[in-house]
Amino acid sequence: KAGVTQTPRYLIKTRGQQVTLSCSPISGHRSVSWYQQTPGQGLQFLFEYFSETQRNKGNFPGRFSGRQFSNSRSEMNVSTLELGDSALYLCASSVGLAGTTDTQYFGPGTRLTVL
Amino acid sequence: GNSVTQMEGPVTLSEEAFLTINCTYTATGYPSLFWYVQYPGEGLQLLLKATKADDKGSNKGFEATYRKETTSFHLEKGSVQVSDSAVYFCALNYGPGGFKTIFGAGTRLFVKA
Repeated sequence: KAGVTQTPRYLIKTRGQQVTLSCSPISGHRSVSWYQQTPGQGLQFLFEYFSETQRNKGNFPGRFSGRQFSNSRSEMNVSTLELGDSALYLCASSVGLAGTTDTQYFGPGTRLTVL
Repeated sequence: GNSVTQMEGPVTLSEEAFLTINCTYTATGYPSLFWYVQYPGEGLQLLLKATKADDKGSNKGFEATYRKETTSFHLEKGSVQVSDSAVYFCALNYGPGGFKTIFGAGTRLFVKA
């Protein structure tokens, strides 16, 4: 089975711009979660989508949004980029039916640099 | 609120030494507990998990037991190898309705030959 794929792998943007990141889950997985990883804050949960609906949300401002398509692929959007948004953004997929016991499989991440 | 605290690193050990990485958590309800590992240049991957009190997760010689009475999930390995050098993250999933995940800060392990 192919793993979780994320595109693009690297991005450079300037402050004020917006960016869209894409995640393709493992075939058959219906839940996609997004995380931000920075040296200062570590790994932080952004949101979880299941069957095209946002099921859970972390503590991030409204500039961070996402969506999920009928094929379970997901996109994450960050508007009005700030320097502090520079981070590795990880996507993870899971079956989505096992609640808290669900095992997540992570993609390689998208490295976003904001100048 | 919910939180995960793990010992700060880096931890440096010689090959074949015993490893313990401490992890404690605060959570309401019945979270599931996980250890993830991030090898140099690779993505985050699940090492082991435990989904209820007294469960023991194990994989690749690593073990951790879900201790509700001490709210702990310490990672142990009897004999580390150079190839175990990586960053280890303790995490918990909590609900309801799907899950949210909280990660610890990560512990970097260096194993010397």
